[in-house]
Amino acid sequence: AQTVTQSQPEMSVQEAETVTLSCTYDTSESDYYLFWYKQPPSRQMILVIRQEAYKQQNATENRFSVNFQKAAKSFSLKISDSQLGDAAMYFCAYRSDNYGGSQGNLIFGKGTKLSVKP
Amino acid sequence: DVKVTQSSRYLVKRTGEKVFLECVQDMDHENMFWYRQDPGLGLRLIYFSYDVKMKEKGDIPEGYSVSREKKERFSLILESASTNQTSMYLCASSWPHGDRDSPLHFGNGTRLTVT
Repeated sequence: AQTVTQSQPEMSVQEAETVTLSCTYDTSESDYYLFWYKQPPSRQMILVIRQEAYKQQNATENRFSVNFQKAAKSFSLKISDSQLGDAAMYFCAYRSDNYGGSQGNLIFGKGTKLSVKP
Repeated sequence: DVKVTQSSRYLVKRTGEKVFLECVQDMDHENMFWYRQDPGLGLRLIYFSYDVKMKEKGDIPEGYSVSREKKERFSLILESASTNQTSMYLCASSWPHGDRDSPLHFGNGTRLTVT
C-alpha cells in the first residue's frame, strides 16, 4: 500500500521569504500523480500544484514550485515570496495511475501547518 | 468553476441518532468521495462512488454507509452516531480516473459533533 509522509507538523516563514515543505512517499508503482493541497482556515481544500510522475520537469505555478525526486520518492513544495494569505495547512497527496481499486482516490499525508509572520 | 456544496457547515447530534451528510456537485463528475479529517491523521477515505448507485468502501467504512441515487448527489449516513465519529467530513468529486487531469474538488466541510 502507498503511504505519504509529511515530517514537519508545523513550519513558520517570514513574509516575503521562501519556505520549503517536505513530503516523501512510498510506492512500488512507476506511474502516479502527486499533489499539494492548501487548506486555509475557511476549510476549503484548494489544489496548489500537481506533478505527473512520468514528467521529469518540476511543476511550477506562479510562486509555488516543486522539487520532484522520483528515485528518492520525494516531493517538496517551495513557496517563494511568502504572503500572509499563504498561511494554511498544506497536504501532500498521492494518486495511483492504476485503474483498479479506489479509482481517483488520493492518499494524503498528515499535513504541515504553515504560519506566515508579518 | 466546479462547485461542491455540503449542506451543513456545523452539525451537532446526539449519540444514537441517524445522521445524514449531503453533498452536491455541479460539474457532472462521475467520481465522488467522502473523507474524514482529524488532527494529526490527515484525510482518510470513508467511501467513494464512481457512478450512480455504485459505491466502494474506503479505508474506514465502519459505522458509515452512503447513497448515490443521482449523479450530482452523494450522501454519507451515520446509522447510529457515536462520539468517536465527531470529526470534520469532507466531500469531493472528480472526473473519471481515465482523465489524467482530474484533481479532486472539495466542499467546505461539515464539522460534526456527536454528544
